[in-house]
Amino acid sequence: EDQVTQSPEALRLQEGESSSLNCSYTVSGLRGLFWYRQDPGKGPEFLFTLYSAGEEKEKERLKATLTKKESFLHITAPKPEDSATYLCAVQSNQAGTALIFGKGTTLSVSS
Amino acid sequence: GAGVSQSPSNKVTEKGKDVELRCDPISGHTALYWYRQSLGQGLEFLIYFQGNSAPDKSGLPSDRFSAERTGGSVSTLTIQRTQQEDSAVYLCASSTRGVVDYTFGSGTRLTVV
Repeated sequence: EDQVTQSPEALRLQEGESSSLNCSYTVSGLRGLFWYRQDPGKGPEFLFTLYSAGEEKEKERLKATLTKKESFLHITAPKPEDSATYLCAVQSNQAGTALIFGKGTTLSVSS
Repeated sequence: GAGVSQSPSNKVTEKGKDVELRCDPISGHTALYWYRQSLGQGLEFLIYFQGNSAPDKSGLPSDRFSAERTGGSVSTLTIQRTQQEDSAVYLCASSTRGVVDYTFGSGTRLTVV
């Protein structure tokens, strides 16, 4: 069964304190791994898609990486506006176009 | 429109009543998805529409749930005889064909009392 596990569930950082969020996955053939950001009361907002092990993508203070078993979302020198829930999702051969989501990591950055 | 629009944003209903949730996708997006986000859970796929093809209903949790998409645009998710476990945020997303990094609406928060 396809599965996505995110850790930690919650993370508190001081402004400027870099860290990483983890997304471990077990899928029957990975077609793509996705990172979304979700603010309270809003729908998820697309950040990145990664397709193969070794791939990396960056956007401002965020950098996503992918291995054969997990993905990391690295946050460099975070700011309070980076506070949100970060969701990881995978597309597998079994699930077709539907995405399988993890439960998310809620990040709080204080100034 | 500029984004995916969902209505209502909040809905409180009594157990046993039927509810209809509406999604207006981005103009030109042929693919439309419904997901459910329950408290403390990840997003759960419900149903997928692609153009005029038969929908993928594999994620619907019971026969109380149904959805339709009229004219390849607006979609309605209907939940009959609502139960307390149906309380969740129902999210709609749309995308162009073959693109999986879809755009989500802000969701409808359904509370069954």
